[in-house]
Amino acid sequence: AQKITQTQPGMFVQEKEAVTLDCTYDTSDPSYGLFWYKQPSSGEMIFLIYQGSYDQQNATEGRYSLNFQKARKSANLVISASQLGDSAMYFCAMRETGTALIFGKGTTLSVSS
Amino acid sequence: DSGVTQTPKHLITATGQRVTLRCSPRSGDLSVYWYQQSLDQGLQFLIQYYNGEERAKGNILERFSAQQFPDLHSELNLSSLELGDSALYFCASSVGSGLAGTSTDTQYFGPGTRLTVL
Repeated sequence: AQKITQTQPGMFVQEKEAVTLDCTYDTSDPSYGLFWYKQPSSGEMIFLIYQGSYDQQNATEGRYSLNFQKARKSANLVISASQLGDSAMYFCAMRETGTALIFGKGTTLSVSS
Repeated sequence: DSGVTQTPKHLITATGQRVTLRCSPRSGDLSVYWYQQSLDQGLQFLIQYYNGEERAKGNILERFSAQQFPDLHSELNLSSLELGDSALYFCASSVGSGLAGTSTDTQYFGPGTRLTVL
């Protein structure tokens, strides 16, 4: 079974609009971390935001926020006020105790003016 | 800039050859991870070293090996290269080992090495 599922292969949004990228996960480990990374066309992997399984509040980092719904096992990334530079592939990832990062297949976000 | 450096940025070689990819972690990070990103397999974890010792192994082929040196830099050796080994190879680093209490360490990625096997 897939540990990380990103169901949206591609998303399209206009500049200044908000967009939500979906991510669901599967784990029985009570201690885990959820991460979002951005991969622009240049190829590097850029860390965006992290949510710990015990965190009570949703994580936020500037225009990025993570909508963490533990009971639903979902960790959606919300980007507010999209910019052209947000066009990239976005990966959701999870780390359980003693394991490396497990990545989803990614969502391509295209921002138009 | 994540603080993780990888060399070379690009590598073109022929089937059957051997190459070495190099990674220097962020200052203060003890763990180094290697990942492979290909179109068909996505992002896959290969191997992790923590403070010089192998800590975890993923889908790493027997033709591939890695080590972490006392100065904490790491090298990934790929031998008997095949066309299917063409991929983007990432190194990442984090502070902790990934054991309980540190499993949520953020991993910071280097810029990657794009390997093309002809």
